[in-house]
Amino acid sequence: DIQLTQSPSSLSASIGDRVTITCRASQRISNHLNWYQQKPGKAPNILIYAASSLQSGVPSRFSATGSGTDFSLTISNLRPEDFATYYCQQTFETPPTTTFPTFGQGTKVEVK
Amino acid sequence: EVQLVESGGGLVQPGRSLRLSCAASGFTFENYAMHWIRQVPGKGLEWVSGVNWNGDSVAYADSVKGRFTISRDNAKNSLFLQMNSLRVEDMALYYCVKATRSAVAGYYYFDYWGQGILVTVSS
Repeated sequence: DIQLTQSPSSLSASIGDRVTITCRASQRISNHLNWYQQKPGKAPNILIYAASSLQSGVPSRFSATGSGTDFSLTISNLRPEDFATYYCQQTFETPPTTTFPTFGQGTKVEVK
Repeated sequence: EVQLVESGGGLVQPGRSLRLSCAASGFTFENYAMHWIRQVPGKGLEWVSGVNWNGDSVAYADSVKGRFTISRDNAKNSLFLQMNSLRVEDMALYYCVKATRSAVAGYYYFDYWGQGILVTVSS
């Protein structure tokens, strides 16, 4: 299975900060990498698909880049509603196939 | 508006069975692959199972293979997860999730999630 390693596991930031979360894949996955945001008590919400494409309705302060094995998500001008946990996910080979759509372990963005 | 509403969760003893259902609305259900993803409260996300648009191709995480069965009824806009031989480690919030492909290049991602249904496995 393809493993995804996010870093950091958590970070503390202030309103208006710029934060970056990284995600590394255990093998090359081209740009088949998605990012989700999850707030406490809520289901995850898609932010970015195909490594850098902003999902409709997602604010432009969210951006992402990467290809191959190294990816990053950046939140510019952090707002109160952005404090949440962020997950990367690979869909390099989508089921039903032999490779599963694994998730990173998550990065919690907390108030400093 | 897309809605995914899970039901069928609850408390069950180890070794017993449970059947989760997901009622879908607001989109053409038969056109999309569907998945179950679970999350232990306070922990990360784990993909459990997926089924293609017509149900003839399915996949499972190794942790549930042989015990769980995913199925769908397109006539009733419903997704199911039959969970047998439940273990304490299956205890989690189970999400019903809709998959989609982007219009350009067909990148695959999960665009809608239900609110989740809690499965508790305990004696």
